[in-house]
Amino acid sequence: RKEVEQDPGPFNVPEGATVAFNCTYSNSASQSFFWYRQDCRKEPKLLMSVYSSGNEDGRFTAQLNRASQYISLLIRDSKLSDSATYLCVVNTGKLIFGQGTTLQVKP
Amino acid sequence: DGGITQSPKYLFRKEGQNVTLSCEQNLNHDAMYWYRQDPGQGLRLIYYSQIVNDFQKGDIAEGYSVSREKKESFPLTVTSAQKNPTAFYLCASSVDGWGQETQYFGPGTRLLVL
Repeated sequence: RKEVEQDPGPFNVPEGATVAFNCTYSNSASQSFFWYRQDCRKEPKLLMSVYSSGNEDGRFTAQLNRASQYISLLIRDSKLSDSATYLCVVNTGKLIFGQGTTLQVKP
Repeated sequence: DGGITQSPKYLFRKEGQNVTLSCEQNLNHDAMYWYRQDPGQGLRLIYYSQIVNDFQKGDIAEGYSVSREKKESFPLTVTSAQKNPTAFYLCASSVDGWGQETQYFGPGTRLLVL
């Protein structure tokens, strides 16, 4: 079993749609959690950290469920510019990256 | 402008050749990292360094070597022992390697084997 698992997609959605990504992790001692965004042929960039209480940044909401060992990312009112690959990242003492979920937002 | 730079953007390697990828940061970060990304896979840690003159192997260190003689610089050498070097190589840095802080990435180097 992979340490961090994501559905690779692609998720194809129309503009304005709401889309959710899930990510599961295997190490129950994981310390912190992040979502990174990676555009095609570019480096990953931090989108947001994920806190136990859940957190929101504009159209983006991240949630953590430690009991079930998964984190989620919700994107509301999708924009064309949201098209990218979203990487789930878990800190176990070192960062473990998921393979990413690809989102394609279409007009 | 503070940030991480990597060079070259593209690098071609011949069979049996060693090549070195450059990574420089002016963020005054103590920790630096090298990752490899293959299509459809997550980033995999090659080497990391938490302080000058010290570095540790990551999950896939075989066929690679690093040095950390200066805080700002963490070059990666891909040796001829690395049999499948074609990949996207990403360098990252963080304030230190002990906490839960964010890692910041350079723009990457694409290595191709001729």
